Amino acid sequence: GQNIDQPTEMTATEGAIVQINCTYQTSGFNGLFWYQQHAGEAPTFLSYNVLDGLEEKGRFSSFLSRSKGYSYLLLKELQMKDSASYLCAAMDSNYQLIWGAGTKLIIKP
Amino acid sequence: GAVVSQHPSRVICKSGTSVKIECRSLDFQATTMFWYRQFPKQSLMLMATSNEGSKATYEQGVEKDKFLINHASLTLSTLTVTSAHPEDSSFYICSAPPLADVETQYFGPGTRLLVL
Repeated sequence: GQNIDQPTEMTATEGAIVQINCTYQTSGFNGLFWYQQHAGEAPTFLSYNVLDGLEEKGRFSSFLSRSKGYSYLLLKELQMKDSASYLCAAMDSNYQLIWGAGTKLIIKP
Repeated sequence: GAVVSQHPSRVICKSGTSVKIECRSLDFQATTMFWYRQFPKQSLMLMATSNEGSKATYEQGVEKDKFLINHASLTLSTLTVTSAHPEDSSFYICSAPPLADVETQYFGPGTRLLVL
């Protein structure tokens, strides 16, 4: 079957670095997405990886290993506004999104 | 875990026709479901909030007469794109928070609509 796993909740300190992991099993693969979602708002697109490697975009970076079915989202210089849910979603061979349950990130001063 | 399904997964239709997309919560009940539209590598754009037993709430700029929403039961919401045009071609995604855990949202796999 198709499956996405990511931690339910993580806590980190303001100014620190946090890595949110995501493992996936899909029928075929057409890329992996990361979204940020604040309570009551629509998910905001953060990144899309389809090739192996690290993509950096400001304070956020996303990594993909297709052979391991593994991705992570790295957040640096954490700010209080980064407190949100982070959703990992893989696109299968039919271009359908398989969603993780989301990781709730709590930032403490 | 909770599962949300969408049907169809992809649809191709002619301009001027109507297309119905279903969103179902398979193992939980939801009084509210959300409909999003997504363009490639962009954020999900909330179109409307579907409310069981009452009218849907539409976001600014979304035509309610064009995108008809019906929340028929606690497990089913439908989005009908009426008189579809090529610019309506997009990826439509629904999500639903369970009654027992309204702070969590489960997303559907999406429906790819292509209007010719």
